[in-house]
Amino acid sequence: EVQLVESGGGLVQPGGSLRLSCAVSGFSFSGHYMDWVRQAPGKGLEWVGRSGNKDNSYITEYAASVKGRFTISREDSENSLYLQMYSLKTEDTAVYYCARSYGSGRSNDYWGQGTLVTVSS
Amino acid sequence: DIQMTQSPSSLSASIGDRVTITCRASQSISNHLNWYQQKLGKAPKLLIYAASSLQSGVPSRFSGSGSGTDFTLTISSLQPEDFATYYCQESHNVPRMFGQGSKVEIK
Repeated sequence: EVQLVESGGGLVQPGGSLRLSCAVSGFSFSGHYMDWVRQAPGKGLEWVGRSGNKDNSYITEYAASVKGRFTISREDSENSLYLQMYSLKTEDTAVYYCARSYGSGRSNDYWGQGTLVTVSS
Repeated sequence: DIQMTQSPSSLSASIGDRVTITCRASQSISNHLNWYQQKLGKAPKLLIYAASSLQSGVPSRFSGSGSGTDFTLTISSLQPEDFATYYCQESHNVPRMFGQGSKVEIK
C-alpha cells in the first residue's frame, strides 16, 4: 500500500524556520519526482515545488513565492522527502502536502494527509 | 506563469444531475491538464489526468475532455459522495498552476 506521511508542522514566529518531512512507503521512492503543495486556511491549492529523481540529477524547482526561502531535498535511502523553510512569513500559514508525481511527473496520484504550519507571533 | 480559470466557482445541484465544470488556460497546454477532487479536511484526490484519462479506481461517471486552452470535467449523474471542491491543474509548465476551485454543493 502506498503511504505518504508528513510531519514537522507547528507554530513558528515570523522570520523563523521549520523543516517538514514526508516519509513514504509502498513504492520505489527513488524513481519518482515528488511535489510539495500547500493550502492556506479556506483557500485553494498552491504548488510549492518539486524534487526530481536520480535520472534528472534531483533537479529542484520552486514557486516564485517561496524561491530563495524554501529548499526541497530527499534521501532516497530513507524513503524521505524534506521541505526546509526559512524566513517564514504569515502568508506561509497553510497545510503542506507531499505528493507523488506520476506519468512523467505530470500528475500527483498519491498524497499525504498534510501537516499544518502556522506562522504567527 | 500559466493562469488557470475555473467556472463556476460554486454550484448547487441535486442527486442524479449532470454537472459540468470548465477550466480555461491562459495559453495552450496541449492535453496537460489534471482534475482533482477535495473533500473538507482531506487531501486532494486525482480524478482525471492528461485531460481525459480516468485515474484507476475513479467511477466512470467522471469524465474529462478538451485540449489546448479549454477543458471540461463532467459528472454524468451526481452522487452524494461527489459533493466536494474540484480543482484543475496544468502540468505543461513549472510552476504547476491550479485553478481556484469549483465547489459542488447540495441543492
